[in-house]
Amino acid sequence: DADVTQTPRNRITKTGKRIMLECSQTKGHDRMYWYRQDPGLGLQLIYYSFDVKDINKGEISDGYSVSRQAQAKFSLSLESAIPNQTALYFCATSDAGTTNTGELFFGEGSRLTVL
Amino acid sequence: DAKTTQPTSMDCAEGRAANLPCNHSTISGNEYVYWYRQIHSQGPQYIIHGLKNNETNEMASLIITEDRKSSTLILPHATLRDTAVYYCIVKGAGSYQLTFGKGTKLSVIP
Repeated sequence: DADVTQTPRNRITKTGKRIMLECSQTKGHDRMYWYRQDPGLGLQLIYYSFDVKDINKGEISDGYSVSRQAQAKFSLSLESAIPNQTALYFCATSDAGTTNTGELFFGEGSRLTVL
Repeated sequence: DAKTTQPTSMDCAEGRAANLPCNHSTISGNEYVYWYRQIHSQGPQYIIHGLKNNETNEMASLIITEDRKSSTLILPHATLRDTAVYYCIVKGAGSYQLTFGKGTKLSVIP
């Protein structure tokens, strides 16, 4: 089983619908992240969390919200989806004890299409 | 964090060494150079990182110039499975954020 699991892997929805993408990890890491990737581009940070009580906005947080339900779970919500939120979304984790390694562990991605 | 410049794409023959360059001329003294790769649309995978010295692990070698303004990732014997987009990233020691640019699309050719 994957260390970082994202659900759903693929989702098609309509404009205005509420969508939740879920991420769970078995690595025991404190830090979790949500990234977005548009076709042909790099990854952009949406939100990150360093522990259960810590939530921080990234580069492109508008239109998104997150919830850190437990150390192992970090969900991303689109309250009212719009077509330009069509993208590939990645969850990632890192170990606070190895900050300087900069090593992130990524899930396999959730492809979201908003019609 | 300093910006990086990478070629858009490169080809490499299977079995040969793949040398991927990266320019980071504005890098500061406490910033590390990281390399990740992304195979097709999978999640990016960490490869290697370094500060000043050259580094080697089971996946690759990282050569950083003495002035630290550029670096080269070396895959010693490229295979078809190494076909991917390779990202060069500069990150400060105290920074939480990895900024992924467009990277270099490496195509390993049979």
